[in-house]
Amino acid sequence: SQQGEEDPQALSIQEGENATMNCSYKTSINNLQWYRQNSGRGLVHLILIRSNEREKHSGRLRVTLDTSKKSSSLLITASRAADTASYFCAPANDYKLSFGAGTTVTVRA
Amino acid sequence: GAGVSQTPSNKVTEKGKYVELRCDPISGHTALYWYRQSLGQGPEFLIYFQGTGAADDSGLPNDRFFAVRPEGSVSTLKIQRTERGDSAVYLCASSLGGAQGETQYFGPGTRLLVL
Repeated sequence: SQQGEEDPQALSIQEGENATMNCSYKTSINNLQWYRQNSGRGLVHLILIRSNEREKHSGRLRVTLDTSKKSSSLLITASRAADTASYFCAPANDYKLSFGAGTTVTVRA
Repeated sequence: GAGVSQTPSNKVTEKGKYVELRCDPISGHTALYWYRQSLGQGPEFLIYFQGTGAADDSGLPNDRFFAVRPEGSVSTLKIQRTERGDSAVYLCASSLGGAQGETQYFGPGTRLLVL
């Protein structure tokens, strides 16, 4: 299965610190997407990185992809209380997104 | 324009009853997806529509689950003879054309509780 698996399961950091979470998957992919979810409701799309890309930035977010290791990472810099949420990676070989169980990030004020 | 909307936000029903969950995709998006998310887990794919047709329903857990999209826009997920194990958040997403590598935009979900 190409289901993503996030690590760590939970992360608690101080406001202003950086947060890094990792994603591993098992089979080849076309792209990998990162989503954020607040309070168990709708998912917000953060970044899509294609299999031929190695790094992508969006504001305070930085995503890397290493297809040889079948892994990706999401870095949130200068975290804020509003970044408190669950973060999911979704590797995809077609239109199906295969989510892992996510990383729960808590940013302490 | 408006994002993906889902109704109702919450649905409480009794075991054995029939429920319908509605999804309004982003205007102009031809691809529509349903996912189900159980507590503490990530969303799981249920079904994908391209236009009016179900292009892939391989994620539907059994024949109690059915979804339609008769005019290629609004979709309804139907669950017959609900069971307690059907309790979950049902998420709908849409994307522009359904091609590989498209961003899927999610709605707020419907939280279903089967008593």
